[in-house]
Amino acid sequence: GAGVSQSPSNKVTEKGKDVELRCDPISGHTALYWYRQSLGQGLEFLIYFQGNSAPDKSGLPSDRFSAERTGGSVSTLTIQRTQQEDSAVYLCASSLGPGTDTQYFGPGTRLTVL
Amino acid sequence: AQSVTQPDIHITVSEGASLELRCNYSYGATPYLFWYVQSPGQGLQLLLKYFSGDTLVQGIKGFEAEFKRSQSSFNLRKPSVHWSDAAEYFCAVGGYSSASKIIFGSGTRLSIRP
Repeated sequence: GAGVSQSPSNKVTEKGKDVELRCDPISGHTALYWYRQSLGQGLEFLIYFQGNSAPDKSGLPSDRFSAERTGGSVSTLTIQRTQQEDSAVYLCASSLGPGTDTQYFGPGTRLTVL
Repeated sequence: AQSVTQPDIHITVSEGASLELRCNYSYGATPYLFWYVQSPGQGLQLLLKYFSGDTLVQGIKGFEAEFKRSQSSFNLRKPSVHWSDAAEYFCAVGGYSSASKIIFGSGTRLSIRP
């Protein structure tokens, strides 16, 4: 596709349920990032992939959060046993390479935990 | 530790007035600096970036930014703002390590007074 896509665009779930958020990066982009943006806040880094490996997972807030990337392309962010404080917009970005390259952002997934 | 500070949470300027948004960074090596804009209901878009060379960088939509190493700053400027510039602006810093990630500031919300 022309840009980074994310699905679903909106997700409402009940506290305690698991959710999966998907990110399709731009074809050929080796780096993929997940961020969280809470209401009125900046971007909180969650995890970074280079290819299928994650050199930096330092931003994952708890062991309820995990992410994987397969085939150097699609990535899934999984939140287990969701809590109300997990409510936020989850943004995915991809870039040609790490660090120095421009990141292209997807539209985000708005997660609401009731 | 790497960090980015945007000291102004919210700025209001009159349409046609000049604009300067402040950004200070802390980074242990030569930084790579970015400004992104997030318009209401839109994804993040790159305005401009600095890697090396001329310290005055031109971007899209008439924006420019100046890298001042002595002040650890990368302030964003525009000589005359338009109502469509109302948005959230994020400064970010990255590095050239293959394992580096981009760190975002907390953002500055710009409002335009008619």
